[in-house]
Amino acid sequence: GAVVSQHPSRVICKSGTSVKIECRSLDFQATTMFWYRQFPKQSLMLMATSNEGSKATYEQGVEKDKFLINHASLTLSTLTVTSAHPEDSSFYICSARGVTSTDTQYFGPGTRLTVL
Amino acid sequence: TQLLEQSPQFLSIQEGENLTVYCNSSSVFSSLQWYRQEPGEGPVLLVTVVTGGEVKKLKRLTFQFGDARKDSSLHITAAQPGDTGLYLCAGVRQAGTALIFGKGTTLSVSS
Repeated sequence: GAVVSQHPSRVICKSGTSVKIECRSLDFQATTMFWYRQFPKQSLMLMATSNEGSKATYEQGVEKDKFLINHASLTLSTLTVTSAHPEDSSFYICSARGVTSTDTQYFGPGTRLTVL
Repeated sequence: TQLLEQSPQFLSIQEGENLTVYCNSSSVFSSLQWYRQEPGEGPVLLVTVVTGGEVKKLKRLTFQFGDARKDSSLHITAAQPGDTGLYLCAGVRQAGTALIFGKGTTLSVSS
């Protein structure tokens, strides 16, 4: 149980284009989903917290107009990187927390974004 | 300022050796979790500790939560090459809030 999927696993795009990453909780309902960014050999940096049906809460320094987050259902959250630039290249990971769990988060496999 | 200080950041040992990874903070956490991450994959939950003084064992891995719930440790006995990976501690200050991650420990076990 507690499986989280992400799609796509890898994406390469041209500078200036937008990329959408999906995060799904496959066998449980997630009231809260989190989006993280991870650089090579570093830890995860929280970008935003997404609650179903409400606006996402962004961490300090994260541009909400650049990283659009939508959490339209209890099993799906999306992150759209708008007007991507090479510095946005990174490993993006989502996690989901179930309605019955206050602390445990289950992570997706991550999405490697490369912006040319 | 890093809320969760994890050490060491890098560890390279021989197969069969023991090791301990530490996660320390001046703040109290309602729970603390340990994850292991392979390159190009998401973190996989190893254990959650919630009670001060709690000790949990997972085969050769022993996890401890400090009495004051401000620190935790991960001890691996007789490390194997398959233990190689990035180990992350992460804590929740208040139930229901986001996880705060330490910087991670990159472990390399050579045969």
